[in-house]
Amino acid sequence: GNSVTQMEGPVTLSEEAFLTINCTYTATGYPSLFWYVQYPGEGLQLLLKATKADDKGSNKGFEATYRKETTSFHLEKGSVQVSDSAVYFCALRTDSGGSNYKLTFGKGTLLTVNP
Amino acid sequence: DTGVSQDPRHKITKRGQNVTFRCDPISEHNRLYWYRQTLGQGPEFLTYFQNEAQLEKSRLLSDRFSAERPKGSFSTLEIQRTEQGDSAMYLCASSIGGTVTYEQYFGPGTRLTVT
Repeated sequence: GNSVTQMEGPVTLSEEAFLTINCTYTATGYPSLFWYVQYPGEGLQLLLKATKADDKGSNKGFEATYRKETTSFHLEKGSVQVSDSAVYFCALRTDSGGSNYKLTFGKGTLLTVNP
Repeated sequence: DTGVSQDPRHKITKRGQNVTFRCDPISEHNRLYWYRQTLGQGPEFLTYFQNEAQLEKSRLLSDRFSAERPKGSFSTLEIQRTEQGDSAMYLCASSIGGTVTYEQYFGPGTRLTVT
């Protein structure tokens, strides 16, 4: 079956620090990979995605590269801001046999950025 | 705002009572998904609809749970004879579905507390 393992939190950084949140996966088939973010009191929002090996997803200064050889999709940002404080979820979806549907999520990583 | 909406946002109920949640998807989205998120975990897939047809149910969805999507528009999720273990955030998401897979957009969730 499908599973996602992501870095245990919480992660606490100072503003302008470099961020890495590790994510590895196992999947049957060829997955699409996602990072979702959940700000306090809000719903899940798609942050970025990648649909094939070596693709790089990017948004709002965040990046992640689909590494098939290491089954990884690590999230990075060069300089975090206080407003990036949130819970980050790595997720995958396998599209096969016309069943293009459910997401499998990691447990989430709480990021707190201090001024 | 034309995002996914959920009602109520919070529900407190006593063990053994029935509860019903509603989800209104983005209007042109033909797929609708329900997920459950417990504290410290990522969302877990419960069920999904393509138009009005319920196409898959997770093993997490016991006989006490039932979901409907009449006329392929809004959806309801009912839990009968609630148990304390049902306490969680119930998330709804919607997407366009077809031969190409599109992103799922999430609602803010309904937080259920069973006392």
